[in-house]
Amino acid sequence: DVKVTQSSRYLVKRTGEKVFLECVQDMDHENMFWYRQDPGLGLRLIYFSYDVKMKEKGDIPEGYSVSREKKERFSLILESASTNQTSMYLCASSPIDRTNEKLFFGSGTQLSVL
Amino acid sequence: DQQVKQNSPSLSVQEGRISILNCDYTNSMFDYFLWYKKYPAEGPTFLISISSIKDKNEDGRFTVFLNKSAKHLSLHIVPSQPGDSAVYFCAARRTGGFKTIFGAGTRLFVKA
Repeated sequence: DVKVTQSSRYLVKRTGEKVFLECVQDMDHENMFWYRQDPGLGLRLIYFSYDVKMKEKGDIPEGYSVSREKKERFSLILESASTNQTSMYLCASSPIDRTNEKLFFGSGTQLSVL
Repeated sequence: DQQVKQNSPSLSVQEGRISILNCDYTNSMFDYFLWYKKYPAEGPTFLISISSIKDKNEDGRFTVFLNKSAKHLSLHIVPSQPGDSAVYFCAARRTGGFKTIFGAGTRLFVKA
Protein backbone atom coordinates (compact mmCIF):
# COMPACT_ATOMS: atom_id res chain seq x y z
CA ASP A 1 0.00 0.00 0.00
CA VAL A 2 1.29 3.44 -0.91
CA LYS A 3 2.48 5.62 1.90
CA VAL A 4 3.42 9.23 2.55
CA THR A 5 4.72 9.74 6.06
CA GLN A 6 5.01 13.06 7.84
CA SER A 7 7.33 12.99 10.81
CA SER A 8 5.14 14.85 13.31
CA ARG A 9 1.39 14.94 13.84
CA TYR A 10 1.48 18.02 16.09
CA LEU A 11 4.15 20.66 16.60
CA VAL A 12 4.23 23.72 18.85
CA LYS A 13 6.92 26.30 18.18
CA ARG A 14 7.74 29.83 19.24
CA THR A 15 7.86 32.89 17.01
CA GLY A 16 11.28 33.23 15.40
CA GLU A 17 12.23 29.57 15.67
CA LYS A 18 13.49 27.63 12.66
CA VAL A 19 11.10 24.78 11.95
CA PHE A 20 11.64 21.63 9.88
CA LEU A 21 8.76 19.53 8.59
CA GLU A 22 9.80 16.20 7.13
CA CYS A 23 8.02 14.04 4.59
CA VAL A 24 8.97 10.62 3.22
CA GLN A 25 7.25 8.62 0.48
CA ASP A 26 7.82 4.96 -0.37
CA MET A 27 6.27 4.92 -3.85
CA ASP A 28 9.32 6.04 -5.85
CA HIS A 29 7.36 9.09 -7.02
CA GLU A 30 9.18 11.83 -8.87
CA ASN A 31 6.94 14.71 -7.76
CA MET A 32 6.50 15.94 -4.22
CA PHE A 33 4.46 18.84 -2.88
CA TRP A 34 3.85 20.86 0.26
CA TYR A 35 0.40 22.36 0.86
CA ARG A 36 -1.11 24.19 3.79
CA GLN A 37 -4.77 23.85 4.69
CA ASP A 38 -6.63 26.72 6.32
CA PRO A 39 -10.38 27.04 7.05
CA GLY A 40 -12.22 28.73 4.20
CA LEU A 41 -9.14 28.69 1.98
CA GLY A 42 -8.74 25.00 1.19
CA LEU A 43 -5.33 23.65 0.24
CA ARG A 44 -2.76 26.10 -1.07
CA LEU A 45 0.48 25.04 -2.72
CA ILE A 46 3.66 26.27 -1.02
CA TYR A 47 6.44 24.52 -2.97
CA PHE A 48 6.90 21.49 -5.16
CA SER A 49 9.72 19.40 -6.52
CA TYR A 50 9.77 17.31 -9.70
CA ASP A 51 13.22 15.79 -9.18
CA VAL A 52 16.00 15.47 -6.66
CA LYS A 53 17.53 18.87 -5.89
CA MET A 54 14.89 20.59 -8.03
CA LYS A 55 12.31 22.90 -6.48
CA GLU A 56 9.69 25.31 -7.72
CA LYS A 57 7.64 27.94 -5.91
CA GLY A 58 3.96 27.36 -5.54
CA ASP A 59 1.32 30.00 -4.88
CA ILE A 60 2.37 31.03 -1.36
CA PRO A 61 6.14 30.45 -0.96
CA GLU A 62 6.92 33.52 1.16
CA GLY A 63 8.49 32.60 4.49
CA TYR A 64 9.22 29.02 3.43
CA SER A 65 12.00 27.07 1.77
CA VAL A 66 12.38 23.40 0.85
CA SER A 67 15.03 20.76 0.45
CA ARG A 68 15.05 17.57 -1.60
CA GLU A 69 18.36 15.77 -1.29
CA LYS A 70 16.90 12.30 -1.88
CA LYS A 71 14.04 11.19 -4.09
CA GLU A 72 11.95 9.87 -1.22
CA ARG A 73 12.33 12.84 1.14
CA PHE A 74 11.01 16.41 0.87
CA SER A 75 11.51 18.86 3.71
CA LEU A 76 9.70 22.13 4.37
CA ILE A 77 11.61 24.77 6.31
CA LEU A 78 10.20 27.78 8.09
CA GLU A 79 13.28 29.99 8.46
CA SER A 80 11.74 32.17 11.19
CA ALA A 81 8.31 30.98 12.25
CA SER A 82 5.54 33.53 12.59
CA THR A 83 2.04 33.24 14.06
CA ASN A 84 0.44 33.48 10.60
CA GLN A 85 2.17 30.21 9.73
CA THR A 86 0.01 28.35 12.23
CA SER A 87 -1.74 25.85 9.97
CA MET A 88 -2.18 22.24 8.90
CA TYR A 89 0.68 21.26 6.59
CA LEU A 90 0.13 18.48 4.10
CA CYS A 91 2.79 16.71 2.08
CA ALA A 92 1.87 14.89 -1.13
CA SER A 93 3.54 12.93 -3.89
CA SER A 94 2.64 11.83 -7.40
CA PRO A 95 4.22 9.82 -10.22
CA ILE A 96 5.61 11.44 -13.34
CA ASP A 97 2.55 10.63 -15.50
CA ARG A 98 1.04 14.10 -15.58
CA THR A 99 -1.83 13.13 -17.87
CA ASN A 100 -3.70 11.46 -15.07
CA GLU A 101 -2.05 12.76 -11.96
CA LYS A 102 -3.60 12.21 -8.60
CA LEU A 103 -1.90 13.16 -5.39
CA PHE A 104 -1.14 10.87 -2.47
CA PHE A 105 -1.19 12.76 0.81
CA GLY A 106 0.35 12.26 4.21
CA SER A 107 -1.76 12.61 7.36
CA GLY A 108 -0.63 16.17 7.95
CA THR A 109 1.26 18.15 10.60
CA GLN A 110 -0.72 20.63 12.70
CA LEU A 111 1.75 23.41 13.47
CA SER A 112 1.02 26.02 16.11
CA VAL A 113 3.33 29.04 16.34
CA LEU A 114 3.00 30.91 19.61
CA ASP B 1 -8.35 35.17 -6.43
CA GLN B 2 -9.72 31.66 -6.01
CA GLN B 3 -9.72 29.76 -9.29
CA VAL B 4 -11.71 26.87 -7.82
CA LYS B 5 -14.73 27.72 -5.70
CA GLN B 6 -16.89 25.60 -3.48
CA ASN B 7 -19.55 27.99 -2.26
CA SER B 8 -21.24 25.68 0.23
CA PRO B 9 -19.14 25.24 3.38
CA SER B 10 -21.40 22.46 4.60
CA LEU B 11 -24.20 20.14 3.53
CA SER B 12 -26.45 17.88 5.60
CA VAL B 13 -28.22 14.90 4.03
CA GLN B 14 -30.32 12.01 5.30
CA GLU B 15 -28.89 8.52 4.94
CA GLY B 16 -30.05 6.88 1.70
CA ARG B 17 -30.72 10.17 -0.06
CA ILE B 18 -28.61 11.87 -2.74
CA SER B 19 -25.76 14.23 -1.83
CA ILE B 20 -24.85 16.85 -4.42
CA LEU B 21 -21.65 18.83 -3.95
CA ASN B 22 -20.95 21.70 -6.31
CA CYS B 23 -17.81 23.33 -7.63
CA ASP B 24 -17.10 26.23 -9.99
CA TYR B 25 -13.86 27.16 -11.68
CA THR B 26 -12.69 30.27 -13.49
CA ASN B 27 -9.60 29.18 -15.42
CA SER B 28 -10.56 27.83 -18.86
CA MET B 29 -7.11 26.20 -19.15
CA PHE B 30 -8.08 23.55 -16.60
CA ASP B 31 -8.77 20.27 -18.37
CA TYR B 32 -8.74 17.71 -15.57
CA PHE B 33 -10.84 17.75 -12.42
CA LEU B 34 -10.66 15.69 -9.28
CA TRP B 35 -12.53 15.19 -6.04
CA TYR B 36 -10.74 14.33 -2.81
CA LYS B 37 -12.25 13.21 0.46
CA LYS B 38 -10.79 14.05 3.84
CA TYR B 39 -11.59 12.54 7.23
CA PRO B 40 -10.41 14.26 10.45
CA ALA B 41 -6.79 13.51 11.35
CA GLU B 42 -6.13 12.04 7.91
CA GLY B 43 -4.79 13.43 4.66
CA PRO B 44 -7.08 13.86 1.64
CA THR B 45 -7.60 10.77 -0.49
CA PHE B 46 -8.47 10.69 -4.16
CA LEU B 47 -12.11 9.86 -4.87
CA ILE B 48 -12.96 10.36 -8.53
CA SER B 49 -11.84 12.42 -11.52
CA ILE B 50 -13.02 13.58 -14.90
CA SER B 51 -11.28 14.79 -18.03
CA SER B 52 -12.63 17.77 -19.94
CA ILE B 53 -13.36 15.55 -22.94
CA LYS B 54 -16.12 13.88 -20.92
CA ASP B 55 -19.23 15.23 -19.24
CA LYS B 56 -19.79 12.38 -16.82
CA ASN B 57 -17.75 9.80 -14.94
CA GLU B 58 -19.19 7.17 -12.65
CA ASP B 59 -17.60 4.95 -10.02
CA GLY B 60 -20.02 2.97 -7.90
CA ARG B 61 -22.09 5.35 -5.78
CA PHE B 62 -20.08 8.37 -6.96
CA THR B 63 -20.70 10.30 -10.17
CA VAL B 64 -19.04 13.49 -11.30
CA PHE B 65 -20.68 15.73 -13.88
CA LEU B 66 -18.84 18.41 -15.84
CA ASN B 67 -20.46 21.37 -17.59
CA LYS B 68 -17.61 23.09 -19.43
CA SER B 69 -19.67 25.95 -20.81
CA ALA B 70 -20.74 26.88 -17.28
CA LYS B 71 -17.33 26.02 -15.78
CA HIS B 72 -19.16 23.92 -13.23
CA LEU B 73 -18.82 20.43 -11.89
CA SER B 74 -20.75 18.46 -9.33
CA LEU B 75 -20.27 15.29 -7.32
CA HIS B 76 -23.31 13.08 -6.73
CA ILE B 77 -23.32 10.43 -4.03
CA VAL B 78 -26.20 7.95 -4.23
CA PRO B 79 -27.21 6.57 -1.83
CA SER B 80 -25.46 8.57 0.88
CA GLN B 81 -24.11 6.64 3.85
CA PRO B 82 -22.98 7.84 7.30
CA GLY B 83 -19.42 6.82 6.41
CA ASP B 84 -19.49 9.42 3.64
CA SER B 85 -19.43 12.17 6.27
CA ALA B 86 -16.19 14.02 5.52
CA VAL B 87 -14.81 17.14 3.89
CA TYR B 88 -14.84 17.01 0.08
CA PHE B 89 -12.37 19.05 -1.92
CA CYS B 90 -12.82 19.88 -5.56
CA ALA B 91 -9.55 20.27 -7.48
CA ALA B 92 -8.50 21.23 -10.98
CA ARG B 93 -5.35 21.09 -13.05
CA ARG B 94 -3.98 21.57 -16.53
CA THR B 95 -2.57 18.52 -18.29
CA GLY B 96 1.22 18.76 -18.44
CA GLY B 97 1.38 21.17 -15.53
CA PHE B 98 2.47 20.42 -11.99
CA LYS B 99 -0.04 22.40 -9.99
CA THR B 100 -3.33 21.10 -8.66
CA ILE B 101 -5.60 23.91 -7.45
CA PHE B 102 -8.06 23.12 -4.66
CA GLY B 103 -11.32 24.63 -3.55
CA ALA B 104 -12.09 25.50 0.05
CA GLY B 105 -13.95 22.24 0.68
CA THR B 106 -17.51 21.26 1.61
CA ARG B 107 -18.20 19.39 4.85
CA LEU B 108 -20.82 16.70 4.28
CA PHE B 109 -22.89 15.34 7.16
CA VAL B 110 -24.90 12.20 6.46
CA LYS B 111 -27.45 11.59 9.18
CA ALA B 112 -28.50 8.07 10.06
